[in-house]
Amino acid sequence: AQSVTQLDSQVPVFEEAPVELRCNYSSSVSVYLFWYVQYPNQGLQLLLKYLSGSTLVESINGFEAEFNKSQTSFHLRKPSVHISDTAEYFCAVSDLVGGAQKLVFGQGTRLTINP
Amino acid sequence: EAGVAQSPRYKIIEKRQSVAFWCNPISGHATLYWYQQILGQGPKLLIQFQNNGVVDDSQLPKDRFSAERLKGVDSTLKIQPAKLEDSAVYLCASRSGTGEYEQYFGPGTRLTVT
Repeated sequence: AQSVTQLDSQVPVFEEAPVELRCNYSSSVSVYLFWYVQYPNQGLQLLLKYLSGSTLVESINGFEAEFNKSQTSFHLRKPSVHISDTAEYFCAVSDLVGGAQKLVFGQGTRLTINP
Repeated sequence: EAGVAQSPRYKIIEKRQSVAFWCNPISGHATLYWYQQILGQGPKLLIQFQNNGVVDDSQLPKDRFSAERLKGVDSTLKIQPAKLEDSAVYLCASRSGTGEYEQYFGPGTRLTVT
């Protein structure tokens, strides 16, 4: 069975500081990894994903994540955060894309940006 | 294109009462999911539909929860009778087809059972 562990439930940082949100997974088969973001009072939105190819993936708003198979990790990073990045971030894993794909989510990390 | 719609956004009921949630996925999306998100936890899959057939309902508490997707479009999720531990946000998501990986989420319904 697959599982996801997000090591930090809350991460407070100052604006323009770097941030890393940690995610570790367990799976006995090939994995596809996702980061979703949930802004206050909104639904989850896909931030970025790893399906295959380059292990470093990027989002349009400056976040990046690196798939590390040996450490079974998919940490999310941003070199300089903005107030608008305040949200809850969920790491998720799937053993399929398409078809009967289902996601297993971590517990979430609440990112709070202080001015 | 319009996103995934859910209603109501909020619901407060007493334990042992029944409640129903409605979801309208993105037009043309074949796959529909219902998730339960308890405060402080990540979403947990309850049931997955492919068109109007159930793909996975292994984590649905079938003694009290039921879901249907008539005609392969809208879906309803029902709880009868509700328990205190059912207090959560119920999220609906849809995905377009077999080759797609992204799930699109609705805003959710926040249920409080008192």
